[in-house]
Amino acid sequence: DAGVIQSPRHEVTEMGQEVTLRCKPISGHDYLFWYRQTMMRGLELLIYFNNNVPIDDSGMPEDRFSAKMPNASFSTLKIQPSEPRDSAVYFCASSEIRTAGNEQFFGPGTRLTVL
Amino acid sequence: QKEVEQNSGPLSVPEGAIASLNCTYSDRGSQSFFWYRQYSGKSPELIMSIYSNGDKEDGRFTAQLNKASQYVSLLIRDSQPSDSATYLCAVNVRYNFNKFYFGSGTKLNVKP
Repeated sequence: DAGVIQSPRHEVTEMGQEVTLRCKPISGHDYLFWYRQTMMRGLELLIYFNNNVPIDDSGMPEDRFSAKMPNASFSTLKIQPSEPRDSAVYFCASSEIRTAGNEQFFGPGTRLTVL
Repeated sequence: QKEVEQNSGPLSVPEGAIASLNCTYSDRGSQSFFWYRQYSGKSPELIMSIYSNGDKEDGRFTAQLNKASQYVSLLIRDSQPSDSATYLCAVNVRYNFNKFYFGSGTKLNVKP
């Protein structure tokens, strides 16, 4: 399997612009997670989906952030308008519920810089 | 109180020594426990998972779980400079909509 795929790997944008991050989970996984990581705050869970339905979006910092999962193989995280404090590495991860356990696997991340 | 607590380190050990990384969690309903390794500039990589009390060994790595004490640890034997990374502890609470909680990570430095 190709693993979790994220694009773009790097994004540099100016304050006020719209940013869209993309994720393709591992085939067959029914959970998808979006995280943000910074030196100051560590790894933060933003939102996660089960079978394409958002389960918990309490980690989404503001209304400027939105996430969708239109089908089992694709999700987006959108920031509109972007601000310098949104600069971070954004990770997507996926997992599946199994009897033995449900390990979570991470994508390579998108490094976002907002100028 | 955070759901998962880790000492941020850095933890420095000489090459060949045993590195011991510790983690405590607050939710007694936690069912699955994981250790991730994260190299600088890379994504977290799953290295160990443990689901029942006791020890689980995989090569140089041993995960230990004590649910009564709400404590998880990771032992790395014969530490190598390539083990230098940040180690993240994670717990999964299936009853709570399969939520995952991550610790802030412990930075490990293995000195040659």
